[in-house]
Amino acid sequence: AQKVTQAQTEISVVEKEDVTLDCVYETRDTTYYLFWYKQPPSGELVFLIRRNSFDEQNEISGRYSWNFQKSTSSFNFTITASQVVDSAVYFCALSDNDYKLSFGAGTTVTVRA
Amino acid sequence: SAVISQKPSRDICQRGTSLTIQCQVDSQVTMMFWYRQQPGQSLTLIATANQGSEATYESGFVIDKFPISRPNLTFSTLTVSNMSPEDSSIYLCSVKFGTGVTYEQYFGPGTRLTVT
Repeated sequence: AQKVTQAQTEISVVEKEDVTLDCVYETRDTTYYLFWYKQPPSGELVFLIRRNSFDEQNEISGRYSWNFQKSTSSFNFTITASQVVDSAVYFCALSDNDYKLSFGAGTTVTVRA
Repeated sequence: SAVISQKPSRDICQRGTSLTIQCQVDSQVTMMFWYRQQPGQSLTLIATANQGSEATYESGFVIDKFPISRPNLTFSTLTVSNMSPEDSSIYLCSVKFGTGVTYEQYFGPGTRLTVT
């Protein structure tokens, strides 16, 4: 069975601070995919990134960066120099070759001006 | 990516009634899914909508309660039947593009359902 754990329920920061969201996963599959989605107050789910199990290269996209470590089954997400517009719920998710997503509980990020 | 639309965007329904939610994609996709997000909760997969055959339901979800159709590669419907207040949720369709290194999965804007 697959499981995704986001231990942080809520994180509150002041604008321009960095914030790191933790994601730990469990799976028996050797091929799997990890995702991060953003859900702003408007409710839509915005795709941020997908990582394959065979590609541990970290990735940076603007102020966003992701650290994938298979040794610790973690796929952490960092927002650098946070902005008010980053306030949202962030979900980590996992799928294998059936492409069914298992979601973590989500982390609510509040960025205060 | 693709443009995914859902209708209605929101609705308020009385208990005992049914609501059909539509999901339209602007390109052909191999796999479509329906998810539920109960208030303040994470997302849970309801079923995989299979084109030309019956949907595949996850544990805890049954066809009589959530009948699904997928008549072609760009369209699917989810019906929430005999609704109760516990069905108040956001219902989202999701589509899969590509495989392996090109695999991506996107979500529609959601249908916010309130059952009174």
